[in-house]
Amino acid sequence: DAGITQSPRHKVTETGTPVTLRCHQTENHRYMYWYRQDPGHGLRLIHYSYGVKDTDKGEVSDGYSVSRSKTEDFLLTLESATSSQTSVYFCAISESPVSNTGELFFGEGSRLTVL
Amino acid sequence: QKEVEQNSGPLSVPEGAIASLNCTYSDRGSQSFFWYRQYSGKSPELIMSIYSNGDKEDGRFTAQLNKASQYVSLLIRDSQPSDSATYLCAVNERDNFNKFYFGSGTKLNVKP
Repeated sequence: DAGITQSPRHKVTETGTPVTLRCHQTENHRYMYWYRQDPGHGLRLIHYSYGVKDTDKGEVSDGYSVSRSKTEDFLLTLESATSSQTSVYFCAISESPVSNTGELFFGEGSRLTVL
Repeated sequence: QKEVEQNSGPLSVPEGAIASLNCTYSDRGSQSFFWYRQYSGKSPELIMSIYSNGDKEDGRFTAQLNKASQYVSLLIRDSQPSDSATYLCAVNERDNFNKFYFGSGTKLNVKP
């Protein structure tokens, strides 16, 4: 299994509070991603990173920010959580598509409930 | 907006039968194609990848790609109850920051 650790795995918070989810990888992969998964919507890309301090928005980035100060860590922050951000969040990693087939590997997920 | 479409199912097949899962995608720039399996409450796991037109076989799984029709499928032969899961189709744009887009998944039920 790819070395991807997400924390926390479960969190319950209240509307308006800030939340940070952490993704840590031990694979030294270049690309890191945050997805959210909701019933009927599949996996939707929130933000992604293509290197240290290199990040960009995905399909559903409103209300989220990210940071990547080290290769191994990719943080997802909800500045002011809303009930619509209740979801399961998956971190994923991928090696450079130049060097291999570019497969995507997932962490175990973080279940966030915003009350 | 990239579109990856899958029938949500559920698709029910008897044990030992062939399960056929289908996926269409909208962007002709898509370069790589993947099938992931996701058990309830778990993270997606990669089961097949395909990069060129035609068939690719791996054990009981066969992926089929037709880029002209923008269509990718997954066949599962000799289906087992343990194959019951949601199957996610993903497309990748290696030349566009290596982004991956997913369909909403097809739920497969294999009945003993």
